[in-house]
Amino acid sequence: AQTVTQSQPEMSVQEAETVTLSCTYDTSESDYYLFWYKQPPSRQMILVIRQEAYKQQNATENRFSVNFQKAAKSFSLKISDSQLGDAAMYFCAYRTSGTYKYIFGTGTRLKVLA
Amino acid sequence: NAGVTQTPKFQVLKTGQSMTLQCAQDMNHNSMYWYRQDPGMGLRLIYYSASEGTTDKGEVPNGYNVSRLNKREFSLRLESAAPSQTSVYFCASTKRGGQNTGELFFGEGSRLTVL
Repeated sequence: AQTVTQSQPEMSVQEAETVTLSCTYDTSESDYYLFWYKQPPSRQMILVIRQEAYKQQNATENRFSVNFQKAAKSFSLKISDSQLGDAAMYFCAYRTSGTYKYIFGTGTRLKVLA
Repeated sequence: NAGVTQTPKFQVLKTGQSMTLQCAQDMNHNSMYWYRQDPGMGLRLIYYSASEGTTDKGEVPNGYNVSRLNKREFSLRLESAAPSQTSVYFCASTKRGGQNTGELFFGEGSRLTVL
């Protein structure tokens, strides 16, 4: 069975600095999707960025980028120029290719310091 | 644009009571999901429905039942609520196949407390 591990329960970053959140996963599949979701205090789940496993190029969305290492089964999220609004819980997620199951990590709470 | 709608948003139950969480999506999605979120445990999949007419167990199905009523609606039922089922419940949906981003769309969550 697939698993997703986020080993950092909590991280802090100074405003305008860069922070990297870690995620590793375990799978025997070759084709899958990976996602980072943000959950602010409002509880709403917001998609930050997605990566298709067959694409070698790392995904980027404005200040958010990923470092996707398929062989190492690693999918880290880099947030550049951190803003106070980035403070939230961040979840890494894996989607299986056949059954469309989405499996989430335990989350990393990001604090942004002014 | 409603997206994924869950009801109720909040509910307090006594141990042994039953209740149903309702979920509906208006995006013509094939697949629907129920997750629970507990501190330090992330989102754990309870049940999912890959397509209308099918349901499958996730990681933590014990104590729950689901019904995929039609393509739009997917309900979660607690037959005899227990304090361990105190949690925030999320319904989610996604389009299966074709040209799509694979994004999972979430409802706003339902906070359930079992006393």
